Amino acid sequence: DTGVSQDPRHKITKRGQNVTFRCDPISEHNRLYWYRQTLGQGPEFLTYFQNEAQLEKSRLLSDRFSAERPKGSFSTLEIQRTEQGDSAMYLCASSPGGGTANYGYTFGSGTRLTVV
Amino acid sequence: AQSVTQLGSHVSVSEGALVLLRCNYSSSVPPYLFWYVQYPNQGLQLLLKYTSAATLVKGINGFEAEFKKSETSFHLTKPSAHMRDAAEYFCAVSVGSNTGKLIFGQGTTLQVKP
Repeated sequence: DTGVSQDPRHKITKRGQNVTFRCDPISEHNRLYWYRQTLGQGPEFLTYFQNEAQLEKSRLLSDRFSAERPKGSFSTLEIQRTEQGDSAMYLCASSPGGGTANYGYTFGSGTRLTVV
Repeated sequence: AQSVTQLGSHVSVSEGALVLLRCNYSSSVPPYLFWYVQYPNQGLQLLLKYTSAATLVKGINGFEAEFKKSETSFHLTKPSAHMRDAAEYFCAVSVGSNTGKLIFGQGTTLQVKP
C-alpha cells in the first residue's frame, strides 16, 4: 500500500489550454474524492465517486471540469480552456466507503496547477 | 448546514510552550470532527478524529483535542511545541449522510520560535 498517488505534482499551463490530472487511490478504497485548495484557504469539495459512479458534484465544478473513474480504480480530473482562476492545488483522497467514509480519509500530495 | 470556524489564522508559540488551536463548529446532526495538518507543498495528513466515542481524542505527534458539545468546540492542543510542528492546521466537519464529504475551516498557520 503506497497511499494515494497524484500525478503530476506540478503543472504550469497557458490560459486556454486543457489539463488532466490523475489520482491513484489506496487499492481497497472504493470512495474517491477531489478537492481544490487555493492559497490561504482550506480545501473545498469538488466531487466524489463510489466505485465508478460519480455521486455528487459541487457547484464549484463548472462545465469546464470533468472527472471520471472508469473502472473504479484511478480517477482523472480534466479542466478544459483553463483560466487563471483555476490556479490552485487539486487534492485527491480515498476512503473505504460506507459509514466509515465519515471517519476521515487519506489525501494524496496534490497537484499544483499554475495557469499563466 | 455544517460549518467550521477556526479562530486565528496565525498562531506563534515558543518551542516547548503549549499549543492551542481553536475550532468551533456548527452542525445540525451529531458531528464527526477532524484535525488535519499540512506541511508546505504537501497534502493533508489526519492528526485525529472525533466519531462520537470518547470526547478527549488523542492523535499523532502528541496532539489531542476535546469535543465540547456545550461550547460547539473541538480545540487542538499539544503540551510542548516542537520546531517540526510548524505547519498549517485545518479543522473539518463531516456533513454526514455517509457521503464522507468534509467542510474545512480556513486553516491556522502555526509558527514555532526557537
